[in-house]
Amino acid sequence: AQKVTQAQTEISVVEKEDVTLDCVYETRDTTYYLFWYKQPPSGELVFLIRRNSFDEQNEISGRYSWNFQKSTSSFNFTITASQVVDSAVYFCALKAENTGFQKLVFGTGTRLLVSP
Amino acid sequence: ETGVTQTPRHLVMGMTNKKSLKCEQHLGHNAMYWYKQSAKKPLELMFVYSLEERVENNSVPSRFSPECPNSSHLFLHLHTLQPEDSALYLCASSRGLAETDTQYFGPGTRLTVL
Repeated sequence: AQKVTQAQTEISVVEKEDVTLDCVYETRDTTYYLFWYKQPPSGELVFLIRRNSFDEQNEISGRYSWNFQKSTSSFNFTITASQVVDSAVYFCALKAENTGFQKLVFGTGTRLLVSP
Repeated sequence: ETGVTQTPRHLVMGMTNKKSLKCEQHLGHNAMYWYKQSAKKPLELMFVYSLEERVENNSVPSRFSPECPNSSHLFLHLHTLQPEDSALYLCASSRGLAETDTQYFGPGTRLTVL
């Protein structure tokens, strides 16, 4: 079975601090994809990144960076120099070959609160 | 124009009412999804449609009835709901069902059942 665990329910930081959101996944598939979505108060889930299981290269996009480590089944997300606009709930998700690639399995989310 | 739109954004209904949620995608995608997001629970996939055919039905009670008249529109018809059905209902779409096809979400409909 596929599972995504986001152990941090809520994180509070002050603006300009760096913050890392943890994501640990479980799957027996060798082919799978990992995602991060952001859900601001408006409700819409905004797609941030997709990473496949064969590409362990870390990725940086502006203030966002992602660290994918298959050895620890983790796909952590770091925001550098956080801003108030980063306040949102962040979801990590997984889709894998055996359960059908139409099925996204989500973690319970991490609420990030960035104070000025 | 935003890629996936949902109406209404908020809905309050009694247990005996019948209402419908509407989703429209402007991305030229062929697959559409309904998810339920309840407090403190992971998002739950309810239904998946591909080319207007239902391909997944995740043991959803029959009081929820989806309809996909074309690849751009998806409805969720609601009748005789229970208070525990109160949640945020999110619609998503993707180009197809391939592994590389990313799902894009709408803003959701916040449903309250009294």
